[in-house]
Amino acid sequence: KQEVTQIPAALSVPEGENLVLNCSFTDSAIYNLQWFRQDPGKGLTSLLLIQSSQREQTSGRLNASLDKSSGRSTLYIAASQPGDSATYLCAACTSGTYKYIFGTGTRLKVLA
Amino acid sequence: NAGVMQNPRHLVRRRGQEARLRCSPMKGHSHVYWYRQLPEEGLKFMVYLQKENIIDESGMPKERFSAEFPKEGPSILRIQQVVRGDSAAYFCASSLGRDNEQFFGPGTRLTVL
Repeated sequence: KQEVTQIPAALSVPEGENLVLNCSFTDSAIYNLQWFRQDPGKGLTSLLLIQSSQREQTSGRLNASLDKSSGRSTLYIAASQPGDSATYLCAACTSGTYKYIFGTGTRLKVLA
Repeated sequence: NAGVMQNPRHLVRRRGQEARLRCSPMKGHSHVYWYRQLPEEGLKFMVYLQKENIIDESGMPKERFSAEFPKEGPSILRIQQVVRGDSAAYFCASSLGRDNEQFFGPGTRLTVL
């Protein structure tokens, strides 16, 4: 049974810092892994999708990596800005299934 | 290109009534996922549908809940005889296919009195 954990649960950093958010999963047979951000009271915004055959994906200041052997994905945010403040969620889809299992998220606050 | 649309955004029902939640996927998307987010909890998968087919409903409660995605029209999540524990935010997401990223709607917040 796939379980997804995100550490830390909350993070507060000054503006301009580079930071790393972690996502761990228990079943390494990953089909897809997707990162999202969720603003309070809102839906989810897709950030990056990493497919099984890929090691990383980049979009602007965001870079996500996937290491199936160690059961980890990381989301790297460069030069953080106050507008990056949100909850960041990772979701893993295991091979042979169709369901995405979500982590409980990392609440990020970037201080101006 | 409009995003994923859900309606209503807020729904209030009394115990025992029925709740119908609608999801219109992005144009061209034929895959729909439904998720539930309970207060102070994470998102939980409920069901995955393609047009006219339920592919995976392993996250759906066995009773009172059903979902459909007809050939024409939105996907519907139906909750019969609602109870207070059904109060949650219900999100749908759509994608072009299983290999593609999911795009989420704004959610429907169901309150059961």
